[in-house]
Amino acid sequence: DTAVSQTPKYLVTQMGNDKSIKCEQNLGHDTMYWYKQDSKKFLKIMFSYNNKELIINETVPNRFSPKSPDKAHLNLHINSLELGDSAVYFCASSPGLGQGKQYFGPGTRLTVT
Amino acid sequence: LAKTTQPISMDSYEGQEVNITCSHNNIATNDYITWYQQFPSQGPRFIIQGYKTKVTNEVASLFIPADRKSSTLSLPRVSLSDTAVYYCLLLSPGDSNYQLIWGAGTKLIIKP
Repeated sequence: DTAVSQTPKYLVTQMGNDKSIKCEQNLGHDTMYWYKQDSKKFLKIMFSYNNKELIINETVPNRFSPKSPDKAHLNLHINSLELGDSAVYFCASSPGLGQGKQYFGPGTRLTVT
Repeated sequence: LAKTTQPISMDSYEGQEVNITCSHNNIATNDYITWYQQFPSQGPRFIIQGYKTKVTNEVASLFIPADRKSSTLSLPRVSLSDTAVYYCLLLSPGDSNYQLIWGAGTKLIIKP
């Protein structure tokens, strides 16, 4: 059983489009995260949700909006995609806020043309 | 604001012990130090976490000096499969001042 899953694995789209990435965890964790990893492998946290409540919202454009329908899901919606949004996006979860062991999904490689 | 600094890359050989150091001069009192491993096309994977002194598990050891301004991940007797990127992370727990500060990663290449 996959602990943290993301769909799709690859996403190729054109500038200006709107797209969503889905994430689900079956670990019973309270906290979920979205990360962006650029071509230089820098990991940047974008959002952190604890029990469906937004805890961390780093400086990301308003075009990015996380949605958490329940504790097991944290989806990422991106409006008006730009070339600079091309990256690998990782979802992760942890038992609770401030607990260091995060479980990462396999990543979604987004390419904006 | 705390920041972490790691070497960009390191090389070693199979069977050697590898030590990767992360500098975090402005670490906060409540911060924990965590290390992750990432293989190509995969998400990072937790290796070890500590607060002070020494922590050891089945895959690695983590050494943290008394001033906590640095930490060293030690991989004993590495193999080719340990070739990966290793990240240092500072984690400050608690709702009011929650932070995740990731290092830029160290690309470790193990040679035969």
